[in-house]
Amino acid sequence: GDSVTQMEGPVTLSEEAFLTINCTYTATGYPSLFWYVQYPGEGLQLLLKATKADDKGSNKGFEATYRKETTSFHLEKGSVQVSDSAVYFCALRLTGGGNKLTFGTGTQLKVEL
Amino acid sequence: GAGVSQSPSNKVTEKGKDVELRCDPISGHTALYWYRQSLGQGLEFLIYFQGNSAPDKSGLPSDRFSAERTGGSVSTLTIQRTQQEDSAVYLCASSGTGDQPQHFGDGTRLSIL
Repeated sequence: GDSVTQMEGPVTLSEEAFLTINCTYTATGYPSLFWYVQYPGEGLQLLLKATKADDKGSNKGFEATYRKETTSFHLEKGSVQVSDSAVYFCALRLTGGGNKLTFGTGTQLKVEL
Repeated sequence: GAGVSQSPSNKVTEKGKDVELRCDPISGHTALYWYRQSLGQGLEFLIYFQGNSAPDKSGLPSDRFSAERTGGSVSTLTIQRTQQEDSAVYLCASSGTGDQPQHFGDGTRLSIL
């Protein structure tokens, strides 16, 4: 079946460090890919998305590139801030799959001063 | 408000009792989804409503779980004869037509004693 695998957390970084959170997927079709973020005490929010191979999604300094050849959608940010501390979820949605999202298990990011 | 609204925000009940969780989607959104977020299982799809079409119930874990959506708007997720493994955060999301992203509510935290 379709699935998403994320690196396990927590990931702890110092402010201004470079961030990478790995995400790979398995899908029977050609999915759209998403990163969602859940800040402490808040609901899930869409961070960025990419709908086809080689697309790059970006938002708030975060980027992720849809790599079909490696079935990956790694999340990156050049310089993290304390306010980026949250849980990050990678997800896929199959075309024609009824729009339901298949999520990874989430990766907690902690950014310290 | 403008977002997806869920109630109650917290629910504690005894094993064996029935519970009802409510979701008010964003006005005008035709699609509504229920997900469950639990330790060790991550975020799991439960059920999906799209307009007047038959719902996609493929994610419901057992026949104790059911959901309905009245008038194409408000949805209720019902869990009968609750078990301790039903303890989780139940998330509702809605989206518009086509490729629109899903917007999530803050969830209902369900605890079964």
